[in-house]
Amino acid sequence: LAKTTQPISMDSYEGQEVNITCSHNNIATNDYITWYQQFPSQGPRFIIQGYKTKVTNEVASLFIPADRKSSTLSLPRVSLSDTAVYYCLVGNTGGFKTIFGAGTRLFVKA
Amino acid sequence: EAGVAQSPRYKIIEKRQSVAFWCNPISGHATLYWYQQILGQGPKLLIQFQNNGVVDDSQLPKDRFSAERLKGVDSTLKIQPAKLEDSAVYLCASSLQGSTMNTEAFFGQGTRLTVV
Repeated sequence: LAKTTQPISMDSYEGQEVNITCSHNNIATNDYITWYQQFPSQGPRFIIQGYKTKVTNEVASLFIPADRKSSTLSLPRVSLSDTAVYYCLVGNTGGFKTIFGAGTRLFVKA
Repeated sequence: EAGVAQSPRYKIIEKRQSVAFWCNPISGHATLYWYQQILGQGPKLLIQFQNNGVVDDSQLPKDRFSAERLKGVDSTLKIQPAKLEDSAVYLCASSLQGSTMNTEAFFGQGTRLTVV
């Protein structure tokens, strides 16, 4: 199973764009990259999923370079409510069967 | 649509006691997962069901943990006897399918277990 590496924590201010990068050097050909968000006392919530290049939805964008050994979750214009833990997962069964790391704790300040 | 339902939300028990958690997945979701999340860590998969069959239980401590999914719908996770290190949030998740296709998993709010 591919292991992922993310920064432990990040700080930002309201209105800024936040980019969280995840390293997954051992990603397999049929693996997808999935990001989840988790607020305190809640279960993780799906944000975005991609295989290559760029994926965008109403919440975020996911950038994946050609070698797929890393990916970047981009949150445009964050607000205080985006303060949460963000998990990067790599796998071929929805991403969630693979290992959740410790995630990245994002703190958004006013 | 209704989300993944879990109960109870909180449970406090003494060590060596037994406890059970219940999960009702989203209607029509064939795949159901139980995760254990210790404070400050990411969720760890305990067991995965596809309908009522077990797909993966490699990380389930089978000497004390057991899980079943009756009729491929609801599921229960049991711990007997509980240890202090079992204190965690137990999360249930479901998805439409989870074998070869990538699909979104929906998580419940979890059950917070405290073993004293």
